[in-house]
Amino acid sequence: AQRVTQPEKLLSVFKGAPVELKCNYSYSGSPELFWYVQYSRQRLQLLLRHISRESIKGFTADLNKGETSFHLKKPFAQEEDSAMYYCALRTGRRALTFGSGTRLQVQP
Amino acid sequence: SAVISQKPSRDICQRGTSLTIQCQVDSQVTMMFWYRQQPGQSLTLIATANQGSEATYESGFVIDKFPISRPNLTFSTLTVSNMSPEDSSIYLCSVEDSGDTEAFFGQGTRLTVV
Repeated sequence: AQRVTQPEKLLSVFKGAPVELKCNYSYSGSPELFWYVQYSRQRLQLLLRHISRESIKGFTADLNKGETSFHLKKPFAQEEDSAMYYCALRTGRRALTFGSGTRLQVQP
Repeated sequence: SAVISQKPSRDICQRGTSLTIQCQVDSQVTMMFWYRQQPGQSLTLIATANQGSEATYESGFVIDKFPISRPNLTFSTLTVSNMSPEDSSIYLCSVEDSGDTEAFFGQGTRLTVV
């Protein structure tokens, strides 16, 4: 069965510092990987997906199949980045398997 | 994109009673998903609901406890039956866009069972 692991429950950084939110997965097939974000009082929404290889709000994530990782990175954190971040994996069944989430706190 | 309206947004219920959560989508979608997020936990898939067929439940979830209806391509309900305090969670409805590239979520139903 597939599994997504986010080892950090909380990551606290200062504004302008680099950010890396870790995500590792286990899945025997070809994974589709996503990062979803939930800002305070808002619904869960897509941040980025590995197939598009794009940068959203300064965030990037590279799929490393050798290390089975999909870490989310941003070179300079902003206060508005404070939110709950979920790494998710999708299989052929189309439903998402979520990691436990990491709360990012960006302090001024 | 898809806009999902989920009702109620929150409720406090007595143990032993049932609550039905509604999910309305502004476009026709084939698959709808129901997730549960227990306090301090991640989202766990309860079931997948396709229009015109029985819902498919994940391990640990059964139809008698979580009956689901899917009468058309824009609407679904999840009932939490015979509730106990362990059912206190956030319940979320989700759909995928037509290109299957992104999942959209309702705002969730925060259920507290006392």
